[in-house]
Amino acid sequence: NAGVTQTPKFQVLKTGQSMTLQCAQDMNHEYMSWYRQDPGMGLRLIHYSVGAGITDQGEVPNGYNVSRSTTEDFPLRLLSAAPSQTSVYFCATSRDVEYQPQHFGDGTRLSIL
Amino acid sequence: DQQVKQNSPSLSVQEGRISILNCDYTNSMFDYFLWYKKYPAEGPTFLISISSIKDKNEDGRFTVFLNKSAKHLSLHIVPSQPGDSAVYFCAAKGNAGGTSYGKLTFGQGTILTVHP
Repeated sequence: NAGVTQTPKFQVLKTGQSMTLQCAQDMNHEYMSWYRQDPGMGLRLIHYSVGAGITDQGEVPNGYNVSRSTTEDFPLRLLSAAPSQTSVYFCATSRDVEYQPQHFGDGTRLSIL
Repeated sequence: DQQVKQNSPSLSVQEGRISILNCDYTNSMFDYFLWYKKYPAEGPTFLISISSIKDKNEDGRFTVFLNKSAKHLSLHIVPSQPGDSAVYFCAAKGNAGGTSYGKLTFGQGTILTVHP
């Protein structure tokens, strides 16, 4: 039982490049979300999904896109990377929007040069 | 506007003593509160939680206290162990009546160091 799997673990990009951070879960959870963690800021919600085909914006959505075509996968896309998007990104899931706690992956450390 | 605040960036405690981590919130629409623990290079892991209808929840060495009138919660770890050294985040979930429904809002985190 892998839980929440994030790939890659590390990535370095140049400004303007695009990339997709992958998140996969095998717990059949309906609710999935993306956070970014920055020093002194805690974790901030980027986008979330309450089920396949449904996504919505969180606190800091600008510069990111998401889609949810299956229950298992919730990729996060950076359209044109900027240095301000240098951060550690975490994917989290829970059974549904109401149920807690959320379970987190081990994160993707992203550096934008 | 930081709706959940952990005003102590760090806390240092001797092994065997009590660790008290504090968290304040401003949004009265929060109905559930959680503490997560995070080690370096790992994702946050759930530690303990409390519903807004309770004022205390205990799980082994960990106890969370909620003071709704003060909009304050605290995590007590007794006795503290070196393995407890980590970053601790408090988080709050919005209830069904607000725009933060189901979403978690996190504090900035407190680095706990437990010295042997």
